[in-house]
Amino acid sequence: GENVEQHPSTLSVQEGDSAVIKCTYSDSASNYFPWYKQELGKRPQLIIDIRSNVGEKKDQRIAVTLNKTAKHFSLHITETQPEDSAVYFCAAAKGPTGTASKLTFGTGTRLQVTL
Amino acid sequence: DTGVSQDPRHKITKRGQNVTFRCDPISEHNRLYWYRQTLGQGPEFLTYFQNEAQLEKSRLLSDRFSAERPKGSFSTLEIQRTEQGDSAMYLCASSLTGWASGTGGEQYFGPGTRLTVT
Repeated sequence: GENVEQHPSTLSVQEGDSAVIKCTYSDSASNYFPWYKQELGKRPQLIIDIRSNVGEKKDQRIAVTLNKTAKHFSLHITETQPEDSAVYFCAAAKGPTGTASKLTFGTGTRLQVTL
Repeated sequence: DTGVSQDPRHKITKRGQNVTFRCDPISEHNRLYWYRQTLGQGPEFLTYFQNEAQLEKSRLLSDRFSAERPKGSFSTLEIQRTEQGDSAMYLCASSLTGWASGTGGEQYFGPGTRLTVT
């Protein structure tokens, strides 16, 4: 089955700096890669996703890049703010039909944005 | 609130008891997923439904676990003879099928049910 590895496990940055979180996946058939933000005691919140037919997607301060050849994808957060502090999870899935839409998650990155 | 809802939010039970959780998906979503999350880990897939059909079950889902989605709307997850190892956050998510125009398939999570087995 799919295996997703995520690094680093913890990341501390100063407010205004950029943060980068990296994930690798094992199944070359995976074609959907979402990122979730989870604050303490809250539900995972979808913040951005990318499909295998594009290499990069951006939404304001957040961007995701995908390298299908190397089977890795990354989350980039620019101009970090204290409210960005949370645990971030990457995930991978094969879609759209049959039994392949389940998400396989990475182990998470705890991002701390300090003043 | 039109998001995914789950009930109860917290459940404390004694080992050996049965528990049942409920999930109400976003109303137009035809897919419903159950995941389990333990402290410090990412969610792990348990099972999912498309409409009322249960299409896949993880090997994590022992025969003490059963899930239903009888009318293709809400779903229940039952754990029989609970064990301490069942203590976790049980998350439900829902999505729409269809990848037309690069949309669809995004999974939105509920707030979870935190189960503590004593």
